[in-house]
Amino acid sequence: EVQLVESGGGLVQPGGSLRLSCAASGFTFSSYWMSWVRQAPGKGLEWVANIKQDGSEKYYVDSVKGRFTISRDNAKNSLYLQMNSLRAEDTAVYYCARDSSSLFDFWGQGTLVTVSS
Amino acid sequence: DIVMTQTPLSLSVTPGQPASISCKSSQSLLHSDGKTYLYWYLQKPGQPPQLLIYEVSNRFSGVPDNFSGSGSGTDFTLKISRVEAEDVGVYYCMQSTQLPRTFGQGTKVEIK
Repeated sequence: EVQLVESGGGLVQPGGSLRLSCAASGFTFSSYWMSWVRQAPGKGLEWVANIKQDGSEKYYVDSVKGRFTISRDNAKNSLYLQMNSLRAEDTAVYYCARDSSSLFDFWGQGTLVTVSS
Repeated sequence: DIVMTQTPLSLSVTPGQPASISCKSSQSLLHSDGKTYLYWYLQKPGQPPQLLIYEVSNRFSGVPDNFSGSGSGTDFTLKISRVEAEDVGVYYCMQSTQLPRTFGQGTKVEIK
């Protein structure tokens, strides 16, 4: 059974940093692109970033470029999102999603990031 | 960026009746490889989104056949032939033809 479990969310002050993790199981992690998708409270979905199987390609939505870094450790079956210079508008539930041929076929339950003073 | 526009934004449906959601893109979603990367997701209350339809009209594994997708170019439609209580939630279209991937605003479906 495919499982994706996010962790690392919490309350952080504006300008602060946070590192999210996503533990994958039930599939060959190293064979798939992976993505982060976020959802602000009561709002819609926004794709944030994705990373190729070997980490050689990474893409970001403009609003996080230069502040967020996606990475992965295939030996640990883990996906990460390093978030720096956080802003109030980054407040959201962050989902880890398996990125399979341009679609997200499995999602984690999400982890909430709150940016507030 | 490709803008995805869904209508209506909310829908109240009598159980057993059909429902239809429209999704229009600001640019054609036909990729140079001949595929159209348009997807439909359902987010049930308190849950992450789940994939319903991929590449316009293909039902994902386990999705009942009362869900169907159609369309081409910039105009797409999700139809539910008979709405059931378990179909409530927010439906999103999404395009992957061009980065960044973008979602529609969502259509909230409720039962009357």
